Amino acid sequence: DTGVSQDPRHKITKRGQNVTFRCDPISEHNRLYWYRQTLGQGPEFLTYFQNEAQLEKSRLLSDRFSAERPKGSFSTLEIQRTEQGDSAMYLCASSHSSRMNTEAFFGQGTRLTVV
Amino acid sequence: AQSVTQLDSHVSVSEGTPVLLRCNYSSSYSPSLFWYVQHPNKGLQLLLKYTSAATLVKGINGFEAEFKKSETSFHLTKPSAHMSDAAEYFCVVSPYNFNKFYFGSGTKLNVKP
Repeated sequence: DTGVSQDPRHKITKRGQNVTFRCDPISEHNRLYWYRQTLGQGPEFLTYFQNEAQLEKSRLLSDRFSAERPKGSFSTLEIQRTEQGDSAMYLCASSHSSRMNTEAFFGQGTRLTVV
Repeated sequence: AQSVTQLDSHVSVSEGTPVLLRCNYSSSYSPSLFWYVQHPNKGLQLLLKYTSAATLVKGINGFEAEFKKSETSFHLTKPSAHMSDAAEYFCVVSPYNFNKFYFGSGTKLNVKP
């Protein structure tokens, strides 16, 4: 069990470019979450997958954001036409839907800077 | 609806003195509650969790939290602060189906020598 892995750890991009982040959850975790954290704030929920199905999306997730989890394992988060306001830490978390293991395990995040 | 309020954005204590980080929650259902810690440039780490078992929950590194339904509180305590406890702490609530985790705005703990 190597924990939740996110790639890349840092990304600097020019405004208007597209970026894609990857998250590898803990193996056998069927739930996967994406969060965004800006400086001085707590993480804000973006979206939630159970297996390959995207079951929840926050209103924060504008049309420029899309997330996928095609085979119920890794997930990608794409931001199109990035804006400076997208600069943040993007966190991925996973958990298993059993009664005994309810907490989410978080990756170290991808820090996005839009210049 | 679920929400979390962390009553203090910053707490400063001296090493060896008690720590109290306050959290109030709002939940339509019996919630699950968590405390996570975030050290600089590190990921979020679970300190402890309440999931409808014992109301006094013990976590790692000597931290405890007590679930008080009547007060809708889940305050985090530690009898004696250590320098390594300096970090940001998040109170988190999740509804019964764990479709999301709601974070408070965080409390930064400073520990003075």
